[in-house]
Amino acid sequence: NAGVTQTPKFRILKIGQSMTLQCAQDMNHNYMYWYRQDPGMGLKLIYYSVGAGITDKGEVPNGYNVSRSTTEDFPLRLELAAPSQTSVYFCASSYEVLTGATDTQYFGPGTRLTVL
Amino acid sequence: AQTVTQSQPEMSVQEAETVTLSCTYDTSESDYYLFWYKQPPSRQMILVIRQEAYKQQNATENRFSVNFQKAAKSFSLKISDSQLGDAAMYFCAATQGGSEKLVFGKGTKLTVNP
Repeated sequence: NAGVTQTPKFRILKIGQSMTLQCAQDMNHNYMYWYRQDPGMGLKLIYYSVGAGITDKGEVPNGYNVSRSTTEDFPLRLELAAPSQTSVYFCASSYEVLTGATDTQYFGPGTRLTVL
Repeated sequence: AQTVTQSQPEMSVQEAETVTLSCTYDTSESDYYLFWYKQPPSRQMILVIRQEAYKQQNATENRFSVNFQKAAKSFSLKISDSQLGDAAMYFCAATQGGSEKLVFGKGTKLTVNP
């Protein structure tokens, strides 16, 4: 299994441009997440999804959009990029069991985004 | 809002020695999960250890163990026989509001000296 994969690894955007960060997992996990990590900080949740067709906002959703059309993929869309969105973006996934037990989140390698 | 606090921005340890990283959290939930993640310079987030709050026994994974004090809302990580490869940022995280969502601390940078 490849686990959680993210593309691209690096990207430089100009202010006002848009882009989509790709995330895919091959572990048949139903839960997927997007985090951002600013310098010297921990990760903050942007959006998450509990299954195909279901998404919800996290702590810092402004300026981002997501969709989840399949179990495997969870792309993050940045519209009108701003310098404040310069960060490292991590995608993660986990498997929620019916008993309600929380599974461990497995992370992708991250995407370093710079907005100039 | 739930918060996770790591009060030690940086720590250092001699190779083969033991070091403890501190973490405190704030939650109103009775059942929740706690995690320590390691982030080496490669940026990859790697699970070190997890603890289920309803279990009183402290979790252990080889050289890594935790001291979970539920009443004090404390969750420290002990690394025994430190190795050069243990050098990394360590993040403490807790589930939020009975959900799968994680709240992370700001991290502790661990340096291992040969």
